[in-house]
Amino acid sequence: EVQLVESGGGLVQPGRSLRLSCAASGFNLDDYGMHWVRQAPGNGLEWVSSIFWNGNSVDYADSVRGRFTISRDNAKKFLFLQMNSLRAEDTALYYCVKETLYKRGLFDSWGQGTLVIVSS
Amino acid sequence: DIQMTQSPSTLSASVGDRVTITCRASQSISSWLAWYQQKPGKAPKLLIYKASTLESGVPSKFSGSGYGTEFTLTISSLQPDDFVTYYCQQYNTNPWTFGQGTKVEIK
Repeated sequence: EVQLVESGGGLVQPGRSLRLSCAASGFNLDDYGMHWVRQAPGNGLEWVSSIFWNGNSVDYADSVRGRFTISRDNAKKFLFLQMNSLRAEDTALYYCVKETLYKRGLFDSWGQGTLVIVSS
Repeated sequence: DIQMTQSPSTLSASVGDRVTITCRASQSISSWLAWYQQKPGKAPKLLIYKASTLESGVPSKFSGSGYGTEFTLTISSLQPDDFVTYYCQQYNTNPWTFGQGTKVEIK
Protein backbone atom coordinates (compact mmCIF):
# COMPACT_ATOMS: atom_id res chain seq x y z
CA GLU A 1 0.00 0.00 0.00
CA VAL A 2 1.28 3.44 -0.96
CA GLN A 3 1.97 5.64 2.05
CA LEU A 4 3.07 9.26 2.00
CA VAL A 5 3.70 10.87 5.39
CA GLU A 6 4.48 14.57 5.53
CA SER A 7 6.22 16.36 8.39
CA GLY A 8 7.93 19.64 9.13
CA GLY A 9 4.99 22.00 9.15
CA GLY A 10 4.38 24.53 11.91
CA LEU A 11 4.01 28.17 12.83
CA VAL A 12 6.67 30.42 11.34
CA GLN A 13 7.12 34.18 11.08
CA PRO A 14 6.98 35.95 7.73
CA GLY A 15 10.35 35.97 6.00
CA ARG A 16 11.57 32.85 7.77
CA SER A 17 12.18 29.35 6.36
CA LEU A 18 10.75 25.89 6.81
CA ARG A 19 11.64 22.52 5.34
CA LEU A 20 8.93 19.96 4.68
CA SER A 21 9.65 16.25 4.36
CA CYS A 22 7.63 13.41 2.94
CA ALA A 23 8.43 9.79 3.75
CA ALA A 24 7.36 7.44 0.98
CA SER A 25 6.69 3.72 1.33
CA GLY A 26 4.81 0.94 -0.40
CA PHE A 27 6.15 1.71 -3.87
CA ASN A 28 9.42 2.34 -5.71
CA LEU A 29 9.89 6.07 -5.21
CA ASP A 30 12.59 6.26 -7.88
CA ASP A 31 10.09 5.26 -10.56
CA TYR A 32 7.77 8.22 -10.04
CA GLY A 33 7.53 11.94 -10.42
CA MET A 34 6.45 13.62 -7.19
CA HIS A 35 4.68 16.85 -6.36
CA TRP A 36 3.67 19.21 -3.60
CA VAL A 37 0.11 20.54 -3.70
CA ARG A 38 -1.25 22.97 -1.12
CA GLN A 39 -4.65 23.97 0.17
CA ALA A 40 -5.19 27.21 2.03
CA PRO A 41 -7.72 26.94 4.90
CA GLY A 42 -11.23 26.67 3.45
CA ASN A 43 -9.91 27.04 -0.08
CA GLY A 44 -9.19 24.97 -3.14
CA LEU A 45 -6.15 23.08 -4.34
CA GLU A 46 -3.02 24.69 -5.78
CA TRP A 47 -0.16 22.79 -7.37
CA VAL A 48 3.14 24.07 -5.94
CA SER A 49 6.05 22.09 -7.34
CA SER A 50 7.10 18.89 -9.06
CA ILE A 51 10.25 16.84 -9.55
CA PHE A 52 11.11 14.14 -12.07
CA TRP A 53 11.79 10.61 -10.86
CA ASN A 54 15.54 11.21 -11.07
CA GLY A 55 15.50 14.77 -9.76
CA ASN A 56 16.85 16.11 -13.06
CA SER A 57 13.91 18.36 -13.79
CA VAL A 58 11.86 20.50 -11.42
CA ASP A 59 8.94 22.88 -11.86
CA TYR A 60 7.37 25.54 -9.68
CA ALA A 61 4.20 27.58 -9.56
CA ASP A 62 4.84 31.25 -10.26
CA SER A 63 3.70 32.06 -6.72
CA VAL A 64 6.65 30.18 -5.17
CA ARG A 65 9.35 30.23 -7.85
CA GLY A 66 12.60 31.63 -6.48
CA ARG A 67 11.56 31.00 -2.87
CA PHE A 68 10.82 27.25 -2.72
CA THR A 69 13.10 24.37 -3.70
CA ILE A 70 11.96 20.81 -4.25
CA SER A 71 14.35 17.88 -3.90
CA ARG A 72 14.34 14.16 -3.30
CA ASP A 73 16.46 11.37 -1.86
CA ASN A 74 15.39 8.18 -3.59
CA ALA A 75 17.79 6.03 -1.58
CA LYS A 76 16.21 7.15 1.68
CA LYS A 77 12.74 7.40 0.12
CA PHE A 78 12.10 11.04 0.94
CA LEU A 79 10.73 14.09 -0.85
CA PHE A 80 11.50 17.58 0.44
CA LEU A 81 10.30 21.14 0.04
CA GLN A 82 12.57 23.92 1.26
CA MET A 83 10.48 27.04 1.74
CA ASN A 84 12.29 30.38 2.14
CA SER A 85 11.05 33.94 2.48
CA LEU A 86 7.68 32.70 3.64
CA ARG A 87 4.65 34.94 3.29
CA ALA A 88 1.24 34.97 4.93
CA GLU A 89 -0.27 33.73 1.67
CA ASP A 90 1.84 30.55 1.93
CA THR A 91 -0.31 29.47 4.88
CA ALA A 92 -1.82 26.16 3.83
CA LEU A 93 -1.95 22.41 4.27
CA TYR A 94 0.85 21.00 2.12
CA TYR A 95 0.28 17.62 0.52
CA CYS A 96 2.94 15.29 -0.80
CA VAL A 97 1.55 13.73 -3.97
CA LYS A 98 2.61 10.87 -6.23
CA GLU A 99 1.92 11.06 -9.93
CA THR A 100 1.05 8.14 -12.19
CA LEU A 101 3.55 6.42 -14.44
CA TYR A 102 1.64 7.02 -17.65
CA LYS A 103 0.93 10.75 -17.56
CA ARG A 104 2.65 13.63 -15.86
CA GLY A 105 0.48 15.75 -13.62
CA LEU A 106 -2.09 13.06 -12.80
CA PHE A 107 -2.10 12.49 -9.05
CA ASP A 108 -3.04 9.05 -7.78
CA SER A 109 -1.85 9.07 -4.17
CA TRP A 110 -1.84 11.83 -1.57
CA GLY A 111 -0.45 12.12 1.93
CA GLN A 112 -2.52 13.55 4.75
CA GLY A 113 -0.72 16.87 4.65
CA THR A 114 1.33 19.03 6.98
CA LEU A 115 0.06 22.44 8.05
CA VAL A 116 2.17 25.55 7.54
CA ILE A 117 1.05 28.76 9.22
CA VAL A 118 2.92 31.94 8.41
CA SER A 119 2.13 34.62 10.94
CA SER A 120 3.84 37.09 13.21
CA ASP B 1 -1.99 29.04 -17.42
CA ILE B 2 -5.13 27.04 -18.12
CA GLN B 3 -8.06 28.18 -15.98
CA MET B 4 -10.52 25.56 -14.78
CA THR B 5 -14.02 26.69 -13.84
CA GLN B 6 -16.49 24.43 -12.07
CA SER B 7 -20.21 24.95 -11.79
CA PRO B 8 -22.06 25.11 -9.60
CA SER B 9 -19.90 26.01 -6.61
CA THR B 10 -22.52 24.48 -4.32
CA LEU B 11 -25.10 21.90 -5.26
CA SER B 12 -28.04 21.01 -3.03
CA ALA B 13 -29.51 17.57 -3.51
CA SER B 14 -31.25 14.72 -1.73
CA VAL B 15 -30.24 11.15 -1.03
CA GLY B 16 -30.96 9.10 -4.14
CA ASP B 17 -30.69 12.02 -6.55
CA ARG B 18 -28.59 11.99 -9.70
CA VAL B 19 -26.38 15.07 -10.00
CA THR B 20 -24.02 16.54 -12.57
CA ILE B 21 -21.07 18.88 -12.04
CA THR B 22 -19.57 20.80 -14.95
CA CYS B 23 -15.93 21.76 -15.46
CA ARG B 24 -14.77 24.10 -18.21
CA ALA B 25 -11.20 24.69 -19.33
CA SER B 26 -10.01 28.03 -20.70
CA GLN B 27 -8.42 26.19 -23.64
CA SER B 28 -8.54 22.69 -25.03
CA ILE B 29 -7.06 20.00 -22.81
CA SER B 30 -8.05 17.04 -24.99
CA SER B 31 -9.12 14.32 -22.51
CA TRP B 32 -6.52 15.15 -19.85
CA LEU B 33 -9.03 15.83 -17.13
CA ALA B 34 -9.29 14.25 -13.69
CA TRP B 35 -11.92 14.37 -10.95
CA TYR B 36 -11.12 14.14 -7.25
CA GLN B 37 -13.33 13.71 -4.20
CA GLN B 38 -12.36 15.35 -0.94
CA LYS B 39 -14.01 14.52 2.35
CA PRO B 40 -13.69 16.94 5.29
CA GLY B 41 -10.28 16.70 6.94
CA LYS B 42 -9.03 14.22 4.35
CA ALA B 43 -6.78 14.34 1.31
CA PRO B 44 -8.32 14.37 -2.16
CA LYS B 45 -8.95 10.99 -3.75
CA LEU B 46 -8.71 10.32 -7.48
CA LEU B 47 -12.07 9.23 -8.90
CA ILE B 48 -11.79 9.59 -12.68
CA TYR B 49 -8.96 10.28 -15.11
CA LYS B 50 -8.71 10.84 -18.84
CA ALA B 51 -12.14 12.44 -18.57
CA SER B 52 -14.09 9.19 -18.30
CA THR B 53 -11.89 6.37 -16.93
CA LEU B 54 -12.84 5.20 -13.47
CA GLU B 55 -9.93 4.77 -11.06
CA SER B 56 -9.60 1.26 -9.66
CA GLY B 57 -11.93 0.66 -6.75
CA VAL B 58 -14.20 3.64 -7.45
CA PRO B 59 -17.88 2.67 -7.62
CA SER B 60 -19.61 2.80 -10.98
CA LYS B 61 -22.13 5.36 -9.74
CA PHE B 62 -19.45 7.91 -10.66
CA SER B 63 -19.06 8.67 -14.35
CA GLY B 64 -17.31 11.32 -16.39
CA SER B 65 -17.54 12.63 -19.90
CA GLY B 66 -16.29 15.40 -22.13
CA TYR B 67 -13.48 16.47 -24.42
CA GLY B 68 -11.68 19.66 -25.26
CA THR B 69 -12.99 22.36 -22.95
CA GLU B 70 -16.19 21.02 -21.41
CA PHE B 71 -16.46 18.10 -19.01
CA THR B 72 -18.99 16.64 -16.59
CA LEU B 73 -18.97 14.44 -13.51
CA THR B 74 -22.19 12.60 -12.81
CA ILE B 75 -23.05 10.85 -9.58
CA SER B 76 -26.04 8.58 -9.75
CA SER B 77 -28.08 7.83 -6.65
CA LEU B 78 -26.37 10.04 -4.08
CA GLN B 79 -25.61 8.39 -0.77
CA PRO B 80 -24.78 10.19 2.53
CA ASP B 81 -21.07 9.56 1.97
CA ASP B 82 -21.19 11.45 -1.35
CA PHE B 83 -22.11 14.83 0.17
CA VAL B 84 -18.60 16.23 0.04
CA THR B 85 -16.47 18.39 -2.28
CA TYR B 86 -15.36 17.53 -5.81
CA TYR B 87 -12.53 19.05 -7.84
CA CYS B 88 -11.62 18.82 -11.48
CA GLN B 89 -7.99 19.13 -12.59
CA GLN B 90 -6.31 19.44 -15.96
CA TYR B 91 -3.05 17.62 -16.58
CA ASN B 92 -2.60 18.60 -20.19
CA THR B 93 -0.21 21.46 -19.52
CA ASN B 94 2.06 22.52 -16.67
CA PRO B 95 1.19 24.29 -14.40
CA TRP B 96 -1.39 21.67 -13.44
CA THR B 97 -4.53 23.51 -12.38
CA PHE B 98 -7.66 22.70 -10.43
CA GLY B 99 -11.20 23.95 -10.49
CA GLN B 100 -12.37 25.84 -7.43
CA GLY B 101 -14.42 22.89 -6.21
CA THR B 102 -18.08 21.94 -6.00
CA LYS B 103 -19.58 21.21 -2.62
CA VAL B 104 -22.48 18.77 -2.76
CA GLU B 105 -24.72 19.39 0.23
CA ILE B 106 -27.88 17.81 1.53
CA LYS B 107 -31.02 19.70 0.58
